[in-house]
Amino acid sequence: AQTVTQSQPEMSVQEAETVTLSCTYDTSENNYYLFWYKQPPSRQMILVIRQEAYKQQNATENRFSVNFQKAAKSFSLKISDSQLGDTAMYFCAFMKRRNYGGSQGNLIFGKGTKLSVKP
Amino acid sequence: ETGVTQSPTHLIKTRGQQVTLRCSSQSGHNTVSWYQQALGQGPQFIFQYYREEENGRGNFPPRFSGLQFPNYSSELNVNALELDDSALYLCASSLRAEPVDGYTFGSGTRLTVV
Repeated sequence: AQTVTQSQPEMSVQEAETVTLSCTYDTSENNYYLFWYKQPPSRQMILVIRQEAYKQQNATENRFSVNFQKAAKSFSLKISDSQLGDTAMYFCAFMKRRNYGGSQGNLIFGKGTKLSVKP
Repeated sequence: ETGVTQSPTHLIKTRGQQVTLRCSSQSGHNTVSWYQQALGQGPQFIFQYYREEENGRGNFPPRFSGLQFPNYSSELNVNALELDDSALYLCASSLRAEPVDGYTFGSGTRLTVV
């Protein structure tokens, strides 16, 4: 079974600074996807960034980037130039890549990190 | 129609009752998944429907059941409600059963069982 661990329940950062959120996971699978989702007070989960395990290059989306270390099973999220609107819960999630006729693409989430961006 | 819409947004039920939560998926999304998010926790997978058939299930008892309809809407039914069923229930849709681009989530239904 796969597990996802986020060891930082809460973090805070000053506006315009950089913050890194940690995520580790445990799996015996070789093909999978990793995601970071943001959940603001509106409750809707919003995809921030995704990484395919077979790609060595770290994913980047504007101010958001990841440090994917497959051997260490680590997937951290870096937010640069933090903005007040980045305040939210951040969830790291794992999804096993579907085998032909195999399992569905369900997400396995960590417990989340509450990020507060201070003015 | 774009986005995923869930109804109601909040609901209070009594232990032992039954509840139906509804989700309207993004147009064209033939896969819908339901997640339970307890307070202070990450979402947990309940089940997934693909083209109106159950396509996988998490570690939830049979009193959690679902339906998916041809018009991209779906339901989550919970029978014999227990206090521990109090949670945020999230619906998520995607174009494929394996959403490599991630799911589109709704804003959830907050269920309180008293």
